[in-house]
Amino acid sequence: DIQMTQSPSTLSASVGDTVVITCRASQTINNLLAWYQQKPGSAPKLLIYKASTLQSGVPSRFSGSGSGTEFTLTISSLQPEDFATYHCQQYSYDSSFGQGTKLDIK
Amino acid sequence: QVYLRESGPRLMKPSGTLALTCAVSGDSIRSTNYWGWLRQSPGKGLEWLGEILQSGTTDYNPSLKSRLTISLDKSKNEFYLTLTSVTTADTAVYFCARGWGSWVGTSYFDYWGQGLMVTVSS
Repeated sequence: DIQMTQSPSTLSASVGDTVVITCRASQTINNLLAWYQQKPGSAPKLLIYKASTLQSGVPSRFSGSGSGTEFTLTISSLQPEDFATYHCQQYSYDSSFGQGTKLDIK
Repeated sequence: QVYLRESGPRLMKPSGTLALTCAVSGDSIRSTNYWGWLRQSPGKGLEWLGEILQSGTTDYNPSLKSRLTISLDKSKNEFYLTLTSVTTADTAVYFCARGWGSWVGTSYFDYWGQGLMVTVSS
């Protein structure tokens, strides 16, 4: 099994801030990593796939980077609607997810 | 626009068999996409359960493989989850989703159903 570790588990920030969430895989995953945003009571929403490709319709303030086993999601100029939980997913082999990062308002 | 909707029982007794349906509209399950099931236990992270291709090829989470079956009905544009011998640990919101990947088990998911809360309790 490929284990995914996200950090931090929780993150407090203000509107306008730039935040970075990290996801580490227990083995190399060939950049087959996706990021999702989830709000309470809703399904996850795909933000980024293949580590850095922005899903259609997702604002450009979201960006992804990384390779090998370490990946980051950066959200620039936080907007009020960005406060949510973020999940990473490896889909290199038998998909698995990180435990999630809750981004809340400072 | 693609829509997926989960249906099935919301309350199960331990040792029973959970059967869920995902109805797809706006796309055909005959397409080259993958069709997956995922779940999220209360207050926990997401868990990939498995997925199926239109050919019927499947891949399952190894931790559930002995209890899980995913199937599809092309004529109804639906796919299904069957989970046997459920316990309280199977209490979760169950999601169906459309996947993109190079092979089953290697998909990211772009469209999701709203989710169905299933509680296992005696």
